[in-house]
Amino acid sequence: AQSVAQPEDQVNVAEGNPLTVKCTYSVSGNPYLFWYVQYPNRGLQFLLKYITGDNLVKGSYGFEAEFNKSQTSFHLKKPSALVSDSALYFCAVRDMLGGSQGNLIFGKGTKLSVKP
Amino acid sequence: AAGVIQSPRHLIKEKRETATLKCYPIPRHDTVYWYQQGPGQDPQFLISFYEKMQSDKGSIPDRFSAQQFSDYHSELNMSSLELGDSALYFCASSLGTAHSYEQYFGPGTRLTVT
Repeated sequence: AQSVAQPEDQVNVAEGNPLTVKCTYSVSGNPYLFWYVQYPNRGLQFLLKYITGDNLVKGSYGFEAEFNKSQTSFHLKKPSALVSDSALYFCAVRDMLGGSQGNLIFGKGTKLSVKP
Repeated sequence: AAGVIQSPRHLIKEKRETATLKCYPIPRHDTVYWYQQGPGQDPQFLISFYEKMQSDKGSIPDRFSAQQFSDYHSELNMSSLELGDSALYFCASSLGTAHSYEQYFGPGTRLTVT
């Protein structure tokens, strides 16, 4: 089965410091990986995706993610965190098994808290 | 830019009642996905449609049904509601089903079953 895992329920970081939100994946074949952010009482907003090509993917709001095939990881990063980055972050993989039309399989989510 | 529209935003129903959730995809998007997010949970895929045909089915209960109409909007019909159906229901749309395409999510409908 295809899956993603987010090993940390919560990540705390001080404003201005770099942040990393971890994600590992388990898929058959090449992975299609995504990061979404969810603010309280809001829908999920697309941040970035890895399909193929450069291992470092740049996305919205200054976020980037590094795809590492040997470690089966796709960690989300930002060089300098903002208080407004505080939200729930979901890693997701595209389901491509059994003729699936590509629904997303989400990790459990990581709550990011950025303190002033 | 136009986003995915969902209505209603909030819905309160009693057990055994029915509910209909509506989703209006981004213009020109022909693919719609429905997800259910329970309290403190990750979103779980329910069902999807491509070009008005059901394309995939996830963990959708038999009490639920859905369809996509000629204008590409979609409706999720829920019957015999149970307390456990209380959740945030998201609709997402994309331009086609290619695996490289990202899905754009609506704000969700919060369903409370009492």
